Amino acid sequence: GENVEQHPSTLSVQEGDSAVIKCTYSDSASNYFPWYKQELGKGPQLIIDIRSNVGEKKDQRIAVTLNKTAKHFSLHITETQPEDSAVYFCAASHRNMLTFGGGTRLMVKP
Amino acid sequence: DAGVIQSPRHEVTEMGQEVTLRCKPISGHDYLFWYRQTMMRGLELLIYFNNNVPIDDSGMPEDRFSAKMPNASFSTLKIQPSEPRDSAVYFCASSLSGGGDEQFFGPGTRLTVL
Repeated sequence: GENVEQHPSTLSVQEGDSAVIKCTYSDSASNYFPWYKQELGKGPQLIIDIRSNVGEKKDQRIAVTLNKTAKHFSLHITETQPEDSAVYFCAASHRNMLTFGGGTRLMVKP
Repeated sequence: DAGVIQSPRHEVTEMGQEVTLRCKPISGHDYLFWYRQTMMRGLELLIYFNNNVPIDDSGMPEDRFSAKMPNASFSTLKIQPSEPRDSAVYFCASSLSGGGDEQFFGPGTRLTVL
């Protein structure tokens, strides 16, 4: 089955700095790669996604890149703000099923 | 729409007891997913339904776990008998279509088995 590795597990940045989270996947048949943000006591919420026929996607301060050949994808958050502090999960989708990475706890210090 | 609704939000039970978790998906969504989240294993898919039919239950840990979806607006996840290692947060999610479509997660049920 699919295996998704996510790094780093924790990330601390200063407000205004950029944050980068990286993921690798194992199944070359995976074709959809969403990123979820989970705040304390809540369910994960989609923040951005990318499909296998696209290399990069941007939405305001958030961008995602995908390298199908190397089987890795990354989340980039620019101009971080304290409200960006949360746990972020990458995932890979194959046959309607999502496999999640282990999560990254992002802390943005004011 | 109110989003995905789960009940109860918190459940504390004793080992050996039966536990039933409930989920109401977003109206019109054809897919429903049950996940379990723990510190050790992260977020893992247990089972998913398409049009009320179970499609893949390979993530269900043991025969003690069972899930049903009697209609398009209701699903249950049952654990019988419960064990302390079942303690986790259980999420239900729904989506319009399967792969390649956003999954909307409920607030989760925090289960503690003593």
